[in-house]
Amino acid sequence: GAVVSQHPSRVICKSGTSVKIECRSLDFQATTMFWYRQFPKQSLMLMATSNEGSKATYEQGVEKDKFLINHASLTLSTLTVTSAHPEDSSFYICSATTGGRSWTEAFFGQGTRLTVV
Amino acid sequence: AQSVSQHNHHVILSEAASLELGCNYSYGGTVNLFWYVQYPGQHLQLLLKYFSGDPLVKGIKGFEAEFIKSKFSFNLRKPSVQWSDTAEYFCAVNIFGNEKLTFGTGTRLTIIP
Repeated sequence: GAVVSQHPSRVICKSGTSVKIECRSLDFQATTMFWYRQFPKQSLMLMATSNEGSKATYEQGVEKDKFLINHASLTLSTLTVTSAHPEDSSFYICSATTGGRSWTEAFFGQGTRLTVV
Repeated sequence: AQSVSQHNHHVILSEAASLELGCNYSYGGTVNLFWYVQYPGQHLQLLLKYFSGDPLVKGIKGFEAEFIKSKFSFNLRKPSVQWSDTAEYFCAVNIFGNEKLTFGTGTRLTIIP
């Protein structure tokens, strides 16, 4: 199946700094990329949906100024956690689809464990 | 908005036991249904999916799921589990024509050798 690569897999940062997470579709062009947050022993919560070349659509309750999403190309989306705080520590997962609203499968990255100290 | 319920938080079974994990969703329209598995330290992988047609779908590694529209359910089954099936299982629903995928809370499956 198609491969989605997320980088880094783990990152530790100091409170107040910003962290960028990359999500790449390696062997296909992703029309849409999704960013999820997963708390321990909980489900994946959708944070935002991004389409190449347009602004991301954020879910209710997700701060767009804190979680900056850029989808500059059909193979790359980035999530930047700005001015990170300990409560932002979490597991962040991206997924990518092709085919717009008629997608048939979502491919997931391996996730990024963010720890803010 | 649609929601997805997985009733079992943690299931512990012995090898060779039969498995059924429940999944219910709350949306009256056309949906696409998925089961994903997350092995320890790995990314989510698709087990199987239902879009239309035969409501009994077969996936990888001997898993199958049955879509029962009247019950809004999409339960996952495997007749005989193996130790390597130990993982987290997520049911997910996509409303037809909508980009989003909504996940259930997940079921942790532990298989005892």
